[in-house]
Amino acid sequence: AQSVSQHNHHVILSEAASLELGCNYSYGGTVNLFWYVQYPGQHLQLLLKYFSGDPLVKGIKGFEAEFIKSKFSFNLRKPSVQWSDTAEYFCAVNARNGGFKTIFGAGTRLFVKA
Amino acid sequence: GAVVSQHPSWVICKSGTSVKIECRSLDFQATTMFWYRQFPKQSLMLMATSNEGSKATYEQGVEKDKFLINHASLTLSTLTVTSAHPEDSSFYICSASSGTPNTGELFFGEGSRLTVL
Repeated sequence: AQSVSQHNHHVILSEAASLELGCNYSYGGTVNLFWYVQYPGQHLQLLLKYFSGDPLVKGIKGFEAEFIKSKFSFNLRKPSVQWSDTAEYFCAVNARNGGFKTIFGAGTRLFVKA
Repeated sequence: GAVVSQHPSWVICKSGTSVKIECRSLDFQATTMFWYRQFPKQSLMLMATSNEGSKATYEQGVEKDKFLINHASLTLSTLTVTSAHPEDSSFYICSASSGTPNTGELFFGEGSRLTVL
């Protein structure tokens, strides 16, 4: 069965610091990969996605993620965080022959100090 | 972007009663809808997958007789928590996907917080 592992449960950064959130998945087949974000009091929304092609994908608000197939990883990065990036971030994986189920990691709570 | 709406966003009920949560796709036809449950400080746990016009597929460990899911149209799915108990208190989130083939990209509702007294 596929699973998603997020390395950090809580991250605290100061504004302008760089961010990298780790995500690894376990599935040997072809996958679609996602990062979702949940801002305080809001519903989950898509941050970025990878289906195929360039393994470095760019999303909204300056976020990017790199798919490294050999490492089964899809880490999220942002060069300089802002206070408004305070949120919970979820990595998610959808196996293309996995019955259309999208499986989520445990989430990482990011708090950015102003 | 695609909009998914859930109702109610907050419900409190007595133990033993049933509660229905609605999930609607407002501006697209959702071929597949998913129901997740989120425990405090934990991730989303997939409960079931529902396709319009067919029976829902439940994940292992999820009681289908307790969590009744109906997907009667391409824009509406409902989750009914039957004979609710305090341990059913949780945050329930629906999501929908559109298009064929299903890429796994999901559009989420606001979530429904259920408190069973």
